[in-house]
Order: sequence, then C-alpha cells, then structure tokens
Amino acid sequence: DGGITQSPKYLFRKEGQNVTLSCEQNLNHDAMYWYRQDPGQGLRLIYYSQIVNDFQKGDIAEGYSVSREKKESFPLTVTSAQKNPTAFYLCASTTGTGLNYGYTFGSGTRLTVV
Amino acid sequence: AQSVTQLDSHVSVSEGTPVLLRCNYSSSYSPSLFWYVQHPNKGLQLLLKYTSAATLVKGINGFEAEFKKSETSFHLTKPSAHMSDAAEYFCVVSDPSRSSGTYKYIFGTGTRLKVLA
Repeated sequence: DGGITQSPKYLFRKEGQNVTLSCEQNLNHDAMYWYRQDPGQGLRLIYYSQIVNDFQKGDIAEGYSVSREKKESFPLTVTSAQKNPTAFYLCASTTGTGLNYGYTFGSGTRLTVV
Repeated sequence: AQSVTQLDSHVSVSEGTPVLLRCNYSSSYSPSLFWYVQHPNKGLQLLLKYTSAATLVKGINGFEAEFKKSETSFHLTKPSAHMSDAAEYFCVVSDPSRSSGTYKYIFGTGTRLKVLA
C-alpha cells in the first residue's frame, strides 16, 4: 500500500545535538511538508518542498534544515540552534499544489530533549 | 491573510448523540476547507473537503460539514457519536501564495472530542 513512513517513532536528543527525522513516501507525490505540533497550538509549518532540489521555509524554520535530493525523501534535521525542539513532528505529502487534493500524513515522530 | 478558528477546544458528547464541532474561517479568496482527524500519537487523516462544489460535504465515518459563506463557517457534524470517534479534529483552510503559485494549509488549534459511554 502507498503511504508515508516516518522514522523513528520516538527520538531522544541531548542538549547541543543535531538529530535527523526521516520521511519517505511511495505515493509519487511532488510536494512534501514538515509540521510541528505542540499541545493547543495546532500544526505549524516548518519547511516544504514542491519539487526535487527545491524547498521553502515555512513559518517556524529557524533551527531546522531539510534536503530534497530524491522525490521520495524529505528528511528534517533539528539542529542545536532549535532551543525548544520537544514536540510531535508530522510529515505530509500531496500531489499537485494540494489545493483540492488534501494531504497524506505520516504517523509522526515524537522528539524529546533529555 | 487566511485564518481559521475552532471555537471549542474540548467537546464532550454521550455515545449515540449528535456531534457538532465548530469552525469559522477568514479568507480573501474562495477557500478550500478541510477537516482532519487525529487519534493519539498518530498522523492526521482526511475526513472531508470543500472545494467550491456542493456546499454540503459528506466524509468518511458518517461525518459531514456544510460550507456557509454568509456565516464564514464550516462546522463538522455527525448524527450519532460512536466511542471510536473520540479524537482530536482539525479544521484547515488553504492559503494560496500568489508569489509562488503554491498553497499552504492554515490549521485550527484543534477540538478534542470526548465520547461518554
């Protein structure tokens, strides 16, 4: 079955450490997105990519980086510059511009600073 | 700019009674609107979408929503709640970016639905 796979499901980060969250899709979708979810705040957009080798900052990109070397993959790196990284991270993808299609979401990665 | 407001952060209903989750939006354009459901520690699943066709939209699991332009609302309803409906629900409006021709989603802050036995 087609879908989006996020790994790991749970991730623990030490202070000052960079960590990378994986997002892989086999839906042949062009666009991919990373969201951060905090309690009571809904989802906030970190980065998005419409095509391979291109990506754009979202509303809260500071302290994060991404790459889009393959259509199927859109990894997110949480750098040491992100001062409050503890959150639930969701990856999504869509075909076309997403206006009428809706997004397909992965099952998320919960990141905790220890 | 587009925005979306979910009027209730928590809603409790008894099993078998109707569900109403309220959503108001603000949009300078003809919006596309969506409802998503999220079960604990899971991703979001699309329930239904409005994209300028019929104003009454039917979704999965017996949910439906009505687009009311005059009231700028897109409330989610279900005639009879089931225990499995307990989850968090997000109302979403699309936000077109004229500079890039792309679209982003604006998420509401979510409504947690509790279903009592």
